[in-house]
Amino acid sequence: ETGVTQSPTHLIKTRGQQVTLRCSSQSGHNTVSWYQQALGQGPQFIFQYYREEENGRGNFPPRFSGLQFPNYSSELNVNALELDDSALYLCASSLDQGVYGYTFGSGTRLTVV
Amino acid sequence: DQQVKQNSPSLSVQEGRISILNCDYTNSMFDYFLWYKKYPAEGPTFLISISSIKDKNEDGRFTVFLNKSAKHLSLHIVPSQPGDSAVYFCAASGTMIYNQGGKLIFGQGTELSVKP
Repeated sequence: ETGVTQSPTHLIKTRGQQVTLRCSSQSGHNTVSWYQQALGQGPQFIFQYYREEENGRGNFPPRFSGLQFPNYSSELNVNALELDDSALYLCASSLDQGVYGYTFGSGTRLTVV
Repeated sequence: DQQVKQNSPSLSVQEGRISILNCDYTNSMFDYFLWYKKYPAEGPTFLISISSIKDKNEDGRFTVFLNKSAKHLSLHIVPSQPGDSAVYFCAASGTMIYNQGGKLIFGQGTELSVKP
C-alpha cells in the first residue's frame, strides 16, 4: 500500500508568479484535501476534491484553485503569489469525502520571495 | 475565529511520567475529534480519535478524553518516552455539517518535549 506522495518537497518562487503543487493519493483513496500550514500554526483547510469536483472550500481566495484527475491524484494551483503564501502545503487523502483514515503527505514547503 | 484551540504552545515532561495535552473547541456541531503527531519535515501522523458519543478512547499508551459539556478534550500519554517528542495537533470535524464533513479544523499545536 503506497502512502500519499507530494512533489516537489521544496520550492522557491517570486511574488506574482504562479505555482503548481502535486499530490498522489494513497492507494484505495478517492478523496484529496489540501491544507496550508503557516509557521507556528495548525494546518488550515483550503479545499477538498472528490470525484474530480471541488467538495468544500475554506477561507481562501479564488487564486487558490485545484484539480483532481481520474486516478484521484490532485494539483493545487496558486496564482499571483504573495509573500504570505509562504507555508507548508499538505495534501491528505481519504475515502468517500470522510475524515476517517485521513492520511497526510509530507508536504511541499513553498517560499515566496 | 479559532474554533479549536490549544492554549499551551509547549510542554516539557520527564521520561516515564504522564503527558497531558489539552484542547478546547467552540462549535457544538463537531462530532469527531482526532489527535495528530508531527515531526519536522513530515506530514501529521494520525494517533487516536474519538467520536462525540464516547467520553474516552484508549490505544496503548495513548488515551483521549472528551468532555462535551465543557467542549474540552485531552490526550494522555503514559508513560512518556523521548520518542514522543513532537508537535501534537488536535483536530475536529463536523461530519454532519453540510459539505464540510471531510474538513478538519486544527488547533495551533503543542510542542511536547520528553526529557530522559
